[in-house]
Amino acid sequence: EIVLTQSPGTLSLSPGERATLSCRASQSVSSNYLAWYQQKPGQAPSLLIYGTSSRAAGIPDRFSGSGSGTDFTLTISRLEPEDFAVYFCQQYGSSPPLVTFGGGTKVEIK
Amino acid sequence: QVQLQESGPGLVKPSQTLSLTCTVSGGSISSGGYYWTWIRQHPGKGLEWIAYIHHSGSTYYNPSLMSRVSISVDTSKNQLSLNLGSVSAADTAVYYCAKGDTFGIRFDSWGRGTLVTVSS
Repeated sequence: EIVLTQSPGTLSLSPGERATLSCRASQSVSSNYLAWYQQKPGQAPSLLIYGTSSRAAGIPDRFSGSGSGTDFTLTISRLEPEDFAVYFCQQYGSSPPLVTFGGGTKVEIK
Repeated sequence: QVQLQESGPGLVKPSQTLSLTCTVSGGSISSGGYYWTWIRQHPGKGLEWIAYIHHSGSTYYNPSLMSRVSISVDTSKNQLSLNLGSVSAADTAVYYCAKGDTFGIRFDSWGRGTLVTVSS
């Protein structure tokens, strides 16, 4: 089973600042199989990025994803007030299918 | 876009079976070739994939839960179901149903979730 480790656990930033979130895998992950989700308090997660770098429908371009192999990054170029939330990375492993999530990074207002 | 809504008892006694239903609207659960999924989130914690089912009937389970879990689809009611047996306090969580893509790689629609507490 591939374990995803997200860092930092909490990121304290001000609106307008840049946020860089890390997701490290215990084994190599295909770039097609890495996604990011945003979860706001009391809400379900919502798909943000898929295939490492493709934005889901309606996601603004201040959100970007990158990486390969075992190291992946979610970047928010300029934080808006609505971006303060928890972010999870997720990978898919085939043969047999197995889905795992990282532990999450909370982006909070400084 | 499809909408999903979980339903079921909010309180289950230890050792009993947790049963939840997810009603899908805005689209047929039997079309599109999607993976219909259960995911849970322990209070204040991360996300744990439980299982998913393809409209063809193929099912895939998290190995850590496989011995206690079953999922199924009722196409006549456009519903997804989850049964988790022999529950304990460790199964207390918010349970989400979600729609996966045609490969089961990502989840693009989620229900609002339902909190299930295991307690006597």
